[in-house]
Amino acid sequence: DVKVTQSSRYLVKRTGEKVFLECVQDMDHENMFWYRQDPGLGLRLIYFSYDVKMKEKGDIPEGYSVSREKKERFSLILESASTNQTSMYLCASRISGGSNNEQFFGPGTRLTVL
Amino acid sequence: DQQVKQNSPSLSVQEGRISILNCDYTNSMFDYFLWYKKYPAEGPTFLISISSIKDKNEDGRFTVFLNKSAKHLSLHIVPSQPGDSAVYFCAARDSGNTPLVFGKGTRLSVIA
Repeated sequence: DVKVTQSSRYLVKRTGEKVFLECVQDMDHENMFWYRQDPGLGLRLIYFSYDVKMKEKGDIPEGYSVSREKKERFSLILESASTNQTSMYLCASRISGGSNNEQFFGPGTRLTVL
Repeated sequence: DQQVKQNSPSLSVQEGRISILNCDYTNSMFDYFLWYKKYPAEGPTFLISISSIKDKNEDGRFTVFLNKSAKHLSLHIVPSQPGDSAVYFCAARDSGNTPLVFGKGTRLSVIA
């Protein structure tokens, strides 16, 4: 079974703090993704990575950065957390290539910024 | 602009009846479509998919229909069960190594 794990299920941070969200997958997938889910807005893509050391901006990258130093790990960084970054953050991974490859999601991190 | 649209934010269905969730897309390059199911405080889980060369795919109680000319797909759940109550996301991608594009989701409530 593919497993995608996220470092925390729930996180509370203060405005201005630097926040690290970690994601690890155990299936040697090349592609990894960070989404945020907000009510009425669905899943919005923040950043993704096709392979180690690679990163691409998604639809809403502002205020975020990422790091992919190892194949199995993809980190999302909030440089200076703000209240509008309160959200559910979801990591996903996928084998590279053809269109029939599903994305596997982690359990999510519910981040609250006070 | 939204490339994948789920125009019904919510749907309520009686247990045992059919649930029909709809999804429209605008990008004619999309050739693979997926449905994900999400419970509160959990990550989305894959439910069923269909490629553009087919018009129907069935898996147990779940069937997805694709109408390419109308750029429309639907998910049918028969019979609906209370455990099906969740948010359902439609997603699509093209044939390249690109991320999935998700709709905003439809919250299904199955009433016993």
